[in-house]
Amino acid sequence: QLQLQESGPGLVKPSETLSLNCSVSGGSIITTLFYWGFIRQSPGKGLEWIGSVYYSGPSYYNPSLRNRVNLSVDTSLNQFSLTVNSVSASDTAVYFCARQAVRSKRLQCFDLWGPGTKVIVSS
Amino acid sequence: ETVLTQSPGTLSLSPGESATLSCRASQGVYGNFLAWYQQRPGRAPRLLIYGASTRATGTPDRFSGSGSGRDFSLRIDRLEPEDFAVYFCHQHGNSPLTFGGGSTVEMK
Repeated sequence: QLQLQESGPGLVKPSETLSLNCSVSGGSIITTLFYWGFIRQSPGKGLEWIGSVYYSGPSYYNPSLRNRVNLSVDTSLNQFSLTVNSVSASDTAVYFCARQAVRSKRLQCFDLWGPGTKVIVSS
Repeated sequence: ETVLTQSPGTLSLSPGESATLSCRASQGVYGNFLAWYQQRPGRAPRLLIYGASTRATGTPDRFSGSGSGRDFSLRIDRLEPEDFAVYFCHQHGNSPLTFGGGSTVEMK
């Protein structure tokens, strides 16, 4: 069955760029039925939606992060990616990737999640 | 943004008892697009309920969701040991998508 797996550095220095990948296995990222999203979880902010991207590129972002975040898809690698610019300690969190159904052009809830990867921002 | 306030923060119960968790939205949730997730320590959230009341595939029928507009609830009947966990509500009807702060069901 479909599985998601996050990968990326566990430690990032302040002001640098955080890059995470989410590999999709057991199925294709090319589907008209789903978007692919990132959510993060921290003790201070709880669960926070970062954004969601379609296989062909259209994406939605949380306005609170829009200026620093970018989502992209690599269909040849069957993965999607997140970059967060100018990170600070408040970006320290567990980052999850997840699958999100779309119906009538509306994003639905997240029905399948990766296990998550912890990212610490520290010098 | 739509703020989701969950209560109680923590519920202490014994196996076999029932739990009712509340999720109140700061404004009406469009389409009642409200989901519930269960999260066990060190694990990712797992979808339990979507559309306020529809059980996701694999969700036991002791879990039930209800509500509309701004007020939603999750009920767990006959608590099993594996049900002691943190539960989050999530709305995807309004932009941006938001999550509640969580309710912990702990074993008494």
